[in-house]
Amino acid sequence: GAGVSQSPSNKVTEKGKDVELRCDPISGHTALYWYRQRLGQGLEFLIYFQGNSAPDKSGLPSDRFSAERTGESVSTLTIQRTQQEDSAVYLCASSLYGQGNTEAFFGQGTRLTVV
Amino acid sequence: KNQVEQSPQSLIILEGKNCTLQCNYTVSPFSNLRWYKQDTGRGPVSLTIMTFSENTKSNGRYTATLDADTKQSSLHITASQLSDSASYICVVTYNYGQNFVFGPGTRLSVLP
Repeated sequence: GAGVSQSPSNKVTEKGKDVELRCDPISGHTALYWYRQRLGQGLEFLIYFQGNSAPDKSGLPSDRFSAERTGESVSTLTIQRTQQEDSAVYLCASSLYGQGNTEAFFGQGTRLTVV
Repeated sequence: KNQVEQSPQSLIILEGKNCTLQCNYTVSPFSNLRWYKQDTGRGPVSLTIMTFSENTKSNGRYTATLDADTKQSSLHITASQLSDSASYICVVTYNYGQNFVFGPGTRLSVLP
């Protein structure tokens, strides 16, 4: 596609429910990243995919968070048993290869609100 | 510890004025440094990228500088416009491009 696409753009969920956030990277980009951005805060790294594997999961805040990527394309970030502290904008980015050697293009984000 | 700090945390200027944002980092070994602009409600967009050997790079009204010795970078915005209101994020790549660290950003507001 022309850019990184994320869905839904907004999600309101009740505390304790599971949510799935989707990211469609730019076609051909082998690297994909998930970030979390709380209101007024900087970007917090969550996980990085190279192809379908995740060499760096160091940013996942707890075992309630998981992510997968299939077909070296679409990625899904799943948050189980959501908590109010999970409320944030979740941003996805993709790059042609590598973690820092090429520019990362960001999607618009999914704004998650846990009530 | 590999860290990126930015200052000021927020800045308010009048349209047409210039401003300079600062980024200090401690990461090593340094690979490159990028400045991103993030408009409210949107994902960050890259403005400039600088490698170890580059001292300055311009992109329109944006000029970034890098001092690899002191591990400092600045982003200078000339003749600010209302559309410059955004968060500006400094990102440093290290470990031969394998890892990067985001700074907390500077929130710039340009008023008419």
